[in-house]
Amino acid sequence: AQSVTQLGSHVSVSEGALVLLRCNYSSSVPPYLFWYVQYPNQGLQLLLKYTTGATLVKGINGFEAEFKKSETSFHLTKPSAHMSDAAEYFCAVTQGGKLIFGQGTELSVKP
Amino acid sequence: EAEVAQSPRYKITEKSQAVAFWCDPISGHATLYWYRQILGQGPELLVQFQDESVVDDSQLPKDRFSAERLKGVDSTLKIQPAELGDSAMYLCASSLRGKNNEQFFGPGTRLTVL
Repeated sequence: AQSVTQLGSHVSVSEGALVLLRCNYSSSVPPYLFWYVQYPNQGLQLLLKYTTGATLVKGINGFEAEFKKSETSFHLTKPSAHMSDAAEYFCAVTQGGKLIFGQGTELSVKP
Repeated sequence: EAEVAQSPRYKITEKSQAVAFWCDPISGHATLYWYRQILGQGPELLVQFQDESVVDDSQLPKDRFSAERLKGVDSTLKIQPAELGDSAMYLCASSLRGKNNEQFFGPGTRLTVL
């Protein structure tokens, strides 16, 4: 069965600093991988997804993620954090057509 | 821009009471999903509909939860009776037929059971 592990339930960065949110997956078949963002008391918004093809995926709001099969990782990065990036981020993998989510990482951005 | 609509946005109820949540998917989306998100955790799929039919309800606590999508459009999720442990965010999502990888989420209903 597929699963997702997000390392670090809370990450804090300074405004303008690099954002790195870690995600590792386990999958017996080539996975589809996703990053979602959730602002307080709101639904989930898709940031980016990997299905096939290029392993470096660019998403909205300046985020990108790289699929590394050898490391079973799909870490999310952004070169320069904005205050508006403060939110909860979820990594997800598909299994049998349904999304399996990680526990989430809360990103705080300090001025 | 088309969105998934959910109501109410917030619901406070006492344990043993009945509650119901409503979801209206994006027009034309044949597949509808209900997720439960407990505070501090990722969403977990409760039930998935394809048109009016349930295709996956393996994680739905069927002794107290029920879901329907009678006309294959909007959907209702019911809990009866509510328990303290049901306090969570209930998220609805929808996708085009065969596009499970492109799910669009609604704003959710925050349920608090006292």
